[in-house]
Amino acid sequence: SAVISQKPSRDICQRGTSLTIQCQVDSQVTMMFWYRQQPGQSLTLIATANQGSEATYESGFVIDKFPISRPNLTFSTLTVSNMSPEDSSIYLCSVEWEAVYNEQFFGPGTRLTVL
Amino acid sequence: GQNIDQPTEMTATEGAIVQINCTYQTSGFNGLFWYQQHAGEAPTFLSYNVLDGLEEKGRFSSFLSRSKGYSYLLLKELQMKDSASYLCAVRDPERGSTLGRLYFGRGTQLTVWP
Repeated sequence: SAVISQKPSRDICQRGTSLTIQCQVDSQVTMMFWYRQQPGQSLTLIATANQGSEATYESGFVIDKFPISRPNLTFSTLTVSNMSPEDSSIYLCSVEWEAVYNEQFFGPGTRLTVL
Repeated sequence: GQNIDQPTEMTATEGAIVQINCTYQTSGFNGLFWYQQHAGEAPTFLSYNVLDGLEEKGRFSSFLSRSKGYSYLLLKELQMKDSASYLCAVRDPERGSTLGRLYFGRGTQLTVWP
């Protein structure tokens, strides 16, 4: 399995500001994803973080709002830009690799509240 | 598009058996996952099915029928700690890979009563 950490674990931010969330894995992984879970809802995929290239975004999510970086096989960041109260959610990263294809591992999540 | 459907809520009593159903219609398929999520925590993996049939793991079993786009999670000998949200997710594989993004259902909130 993988040990996945996220920073920060939680934050309270003001409207109009931006927050960058980090996801660190203790081993090299093939795939990294970012999900959002709004209060009382299930997980919604934001994007696939591609190493060395632009992320692949799902319908309804755009790079200007959620820029993503993945400089190497163990690290990725998600930025929530120009935040509004509607962005209050838990943001989770997840990872997969070929050797463990039968499970996708999730980080502990970042709980974001926007005032 | 992706459509994954599961009941919103279920209740059961301690010691009982409960079956949570999931139906799906997705453009691609390479595996169906079940996750358990307690309030305020990240999802934890329960099971994975990619071939038709039943996978048993202790008190939990999961079944898949690909032709019907159907899965269920069976929980036996229910305990109070099983009260949680249960998430069904389907993997849509990346081209040339067995891996890929997961699309989740809304989750089934299970409440276990004493």
